[in-house]
Amino acid sequence: RKEVEQDPGPFNVPEGATVAFNCTYSNSASQSFFWYRQDCRKEPKLLMSVYSSGNEDGRFTAQLNRASQYISLLIRDSKLSDSATYLCVVNFNKFYFGSGTKLNVKP
Amino acid sequence: GAGVSQSPSNKVTEKGKDVELRCDPISGHTALYWYRQRLGQGLEFLIYFQGNSAPDKSGLPSDRFSAERTGESVSTLTIQRTQQEDSAVYLCASSSGTGRQYFGPGTRLTVT
Repeated sequence: RKEVEQDPGPFNVPEGATVAFNCTYSNSASQSFFWYRQDCRKEPKLLMSVYSSGNEDGRFTAQLNRASQYISLLIRDSKLSDSATYLCVVNFNKFYFGSGTKLNVKP
Repeated sequence: GAGVSQSPSNKVTEKGKDVELRCDPISGHTALYWYRQRLGQGLEFLIYFQGNSAPDKSGLPSDRFSAERTGESVSTLTIQRTQQEDSAVYLCASSSGTGRQYFGPGTRLTVT
């Protein structure tokens, strides 16, 4: 079983839509959690950290459910520029990356 | 401040040659990771250095791959007798612990 699992997508949504991604992790002792964004042919960049109480950054909301061992990312009012691959990342002694969920936002 | 840098940005080599890829992490970052990413695929963990501890080499795909790190500074990833399946982007990242990772721009390796 992989340490971090994500639906690869693609998620194809119109501009303005709300879209949500989930990610599950296998190690209950995982210590920190992140969402990264990777554009085509670019390196991954941090989108946001994920905190136990949930956190929001503009149109992006991240949630952590430790009991069920999953992390979610909600994007409201999608923009064309949100098109990318979103990587779920978990840290337990080292970083574990999911394989990514591809999002395509269409005009 | 300076981010993570990698060199070369692109490398084309013939099958069977050895290549050396370099990563300069952010100053003061104790952790350094190497990943491989094939076209259209996810990140594949290769090796992890944390301070002076023995590196976690569990992701290295074969004994043709090795990596070194001098203290908490530069790291080199060496691939011996390259094969076509080694063609990928090799990404380096550094962090100061359990905080976020910062990635370099990667080295695109093409084995012909």
